[in-house]
Formats: sequence, C-alpha cells, structure tokens
Amino acid sequence: DVVLTQTPPTLSATIGQSVSISCRSSQSLLHSNGNTYLHWLLQRPGQSPQLLIYLVSRLESGVPNRFSGSGSGTDFTLKISGVEAEDLGVYYCVQGTHAPLTFGSGTKLEIK
Amino acid sequence: QIQLVQSGPEVKKPGESVKISCKASGYTFTQAGMQWLKQAQGKSLKWMGWINTNTGKTTYAADFTGRFVFSLETSASTAYLQITNLKNEDMATYFCASGDFDYWGQGVMVTVSS
Repeated sequence: DVVLTQTPPTLSATIGQSVSISCRSSQSLLHSNGNTYLHWLLQRPGQSPQLLIYLVSRLESGVPNRFSGSGSGTDFTLKISGVEAEDLGVYYCVQGTHAPLTFGSGTKLEIK
Repeated sequence: QIQLVQSGPEVKKPGESVKISCKASGYTFTQAGMQWLKQAQGKSLKWMGWINTNTGKTTYAADFTGRFVFSLETSASTAYLQITNLKNEDMATYFCASGDFDYWGQGVMVTVSS
C-alpha cells in the first residue's frame, strides 16, 4: 500500500500567519492517465471531513482561496495563506492513484 | 442542497451485526459512487471500499473482506454498510462519502461492548 507521510504532525499558528503542510508519498502518484490523485481534506473538531483541494491544486467549490495545493510525483504541499480561526482542525492528504486509497496520518492545526 | 444523512449511533455486543444507512439527497444518486470509511477514535481515516451506485459492483479493501457488505436501495437513494460478527476492533465512526470525497455523511459511531 502507498504510505503518505504528513509533516508536521501538529502546527500552532497565529491568526494571519501563513503555514504549510507537507505530504510525501512512498510511490509516485502520477497515474497512467496523466492525473495525480492527491487530495486534501480538513476535519474540524467533531465534524466530518470536508474536501478542500483535489487533484493536487484544484480548489473545491466554496473553499476560500487562502488554501492552495502544489506538488508533483511524491511531494505535495498544502498552504494556508493567512490562517483564520475557522481553519483549526486536522488536515489529511489522501491518494487515489493506487488501490487501496490511503490517507496520511494527519496534521493538527491549532490556533495560538 | 446535496446531503448525505447517516443513521444514528449503535451500541452492539461482540458477535452481533449492525447495518448503517446513508441517504443521499440533492443529486442523482446513481451519478456518483459511494465510498465507505472507518475512523477509530483519535486516528486517521481508513478506506473500506466503495460501491458503484449505477451497477451495484462492490470493491473492498483487503482489511474489509468477509464480514463487511456494501449494498444499495436505489429507489430510496440509500447506501448501506453491514458488519457481521462484530469485534472490539470494529468500534469506530463510519462515514459514507460520495464520488471523490465531495460530500460526506455525518458519521455513525458504533460501540462494541459486552
């Protein structure tokens, strides 16, 4: 199975600060069809996860544009440009290129 | 608006069975597959598999074969997850999610305790 390693495991940020989360894959996530099935989710406390970014860098409808995704192959990054209070929670990367789908272990964002 | 509404929390004994529902609304049910995911308390998400809501074809992850069954009631826009012969390690919250994780149910907490 593909292993996704997320760093850091926890992140503490002040309002307005920009932060980045890394997701590294044990295998290239470039599919033979040319797509890279790497997505980012946010799970706020006590809630279901929600999709933020899909296919590495595409912003899900309704998600603020302070969220952005980048990367290729095995290295991916989620950036939040100007953290807001509502951004607290656990961020997960998930890959769908190789079966079975696998998730990173999560990055918990705390607000100082 | 698009919603996935799951059934309520369950408390079961080891060896019993549970059937969780996931009712979709706001879109054509057969146009997106349904994923099932498990999240133990304080842990990351684990993909259990998915069901093609158009054909009923099921795909199970290796850790979820045998005791786990995905099914549909298409006329009711509802997907089901059944777990038989419950074990302590099945205690978790179970989520349904449509398509490529576009929409999620609220989750169902399953407690397994003798």
